[in-house]
Amino acid sequence: NAGVTQTPKFQVLKTGQSMTLQCAQDMNHNSMYWYRQDPGMGLRLIYYSASEGTTDKGEVPNGYNVSRLNKREFSLRLESAAPSQTSVYFCASSEGRGRNTGELFFGEGSRLTVL
Amino acid sequence: AQSVTQLDSQVPVFEEAPVELRCNYSSSVSVYLFWYVQYPNQGLQLLLKYLSGSTLVESINGFEAEFNKSQTSFHLRKPSVHISDTAEYFCAVSETMEYGNKLVFGAGTILRVKS
Repeated sequence: NAGVTQTPKFQVLKTGQSMTLQCAQDMNHNSMYWYRQDPGMGLRLIYYSASEGTTDKGEVPNGYNVSRLNKREFSLRLESAAPSQTSVYFCASSEGRGRNTGELFFGEGSRLTVL
Repeated sequence: AQSVTQLDSQVPVFEEAPVELRCNYSSSVSVYLFWYVQYPNQGLQLLLKYLSGSTLVESINGFEAEFNKSQTSFHLRKPSVHISDTAEYFCAVSETMEYGNKLVFGAGTILRVKS
């Protein structure tokens, strides 16, 4: 069982370059999320998708865009990367309906460095 | 909006000693509470959760946490730690949204177990 799969695991960009982080889940979950993790700040929500076809901003959406391609896939795009976006990015999913407790299932993370 | 405070950023402890990682949350309504663990260079894994019922919840590897509504706390404890428990631990509270729930994370506590 793959769970939540993120690609790439590592990426180095120059300021101004663009890139897309890919995420796919095989648990038939309705909701998907993108977080960034920075030292001493825990995880901060960038964007989330409550269900296929919907996306909403989280705490720190500036500089990012997302696409919920289908129920399985949720991508995060950096249009013009900045050094402040150097971080570890995590994709997560949850059931999203019914007895939804908010419990998240995480990918292994994508480490992005912007020079 | 809900918030989570983890009172210690780092906790050093010797092997086989007891440990407590403290977590307080802000909420006046029913909540779901979680502890996640992150081992070096990995994603977050669910350690234990409180949804309802008994206020004391346990994990399979000997951790336990007690939900204290009056003190709005959900502290994590282990009576005897092992080197392999070295990791970062995140407390999270579930926040009710229009579509369901989402998690709000604390800043994390790094547990360093020394031999």
